[in-house]
Amino acid sequence: ETGVTQTPRHLVMGMTNKKSLKCEQHLGHNAMYWYKQSAKKPLELMFVYSLEERVENNSVPSRFSPECPNSSHLFLHLHTLQPEDSALYLCASSKMAQGVYEQYFGPGTRLTVT
Amino acid sequence: GENVEQHPSTLSVQEGDSAVIKCTYSDSASNYFPWYKQELGKGPQLIIDIRSNVGEKKDQRIAVTLNKTAKHFSLHITETQPEDSAVYFCAARFSGTYKYIFGTGTRLKVLA
Repeated sequence: ETGVTQTPRHLVMGMTNKKSLKCEQHLGHNAMYWYKQSAKKPLELMFVYSLEERVENNSVPSRFSPECPNSSHLFLHLHTLQPEDSALYLCASSKMAQGVYEQYFGPGTRLTVT
Repeated sequence: GENVEQHPSTLSVQEGDSAVIKCTYSDSASNYFPWYKQELGKGPQLIIDIRSNVGEKKDQRIAVTLNKTAKHFSLHITETQPEDSAVYFCAARFSGTYKYIFGTGTRLKVLA
């Protein structure tokens, strides 16, 4: 275990549903990330939060809405998704400090949009 | 644009042989290069990393080399074992940003 947990591990949702993905880190880190992992494609960075402020937003459609209430928790709220949004969604965390770059990933949520 | 190319996409080796995976990055300002191992049903696990001020780093059977001039870095696994079978990803962190760009992954299969 890396100290980063994600729930649920699997999610099937219709295009009209609203659901949320949750990530929690127990490493004392202060930066958290959402990535999308699709087959045959590199990991795509979606959002970055540092000290609970969003510092990176990689042109992600508004149907994905992140929330970071504190440095240990990160959510990804989903609504009106498309079938092409089916993927593995990975959360990661790191410590924002000079010269410290290591990222640690959770196990991911396998999302299927029907 | 920012890009990391990774080769090969698949690699099969006999148990006990060595495996080498190579990556090339585009941004010369990149300063940190991690390697991740991802097993089925799990998230990527950091296995080794190297910073731009170092040319080589070793940890038991795995090593990473960096050639800053050529913008290449490689993962070397010696004495491979069946449990090394997984998908391996390289990445580059762009200096001054929170952005990590990942390669497309190499599926390593170690044949017993």
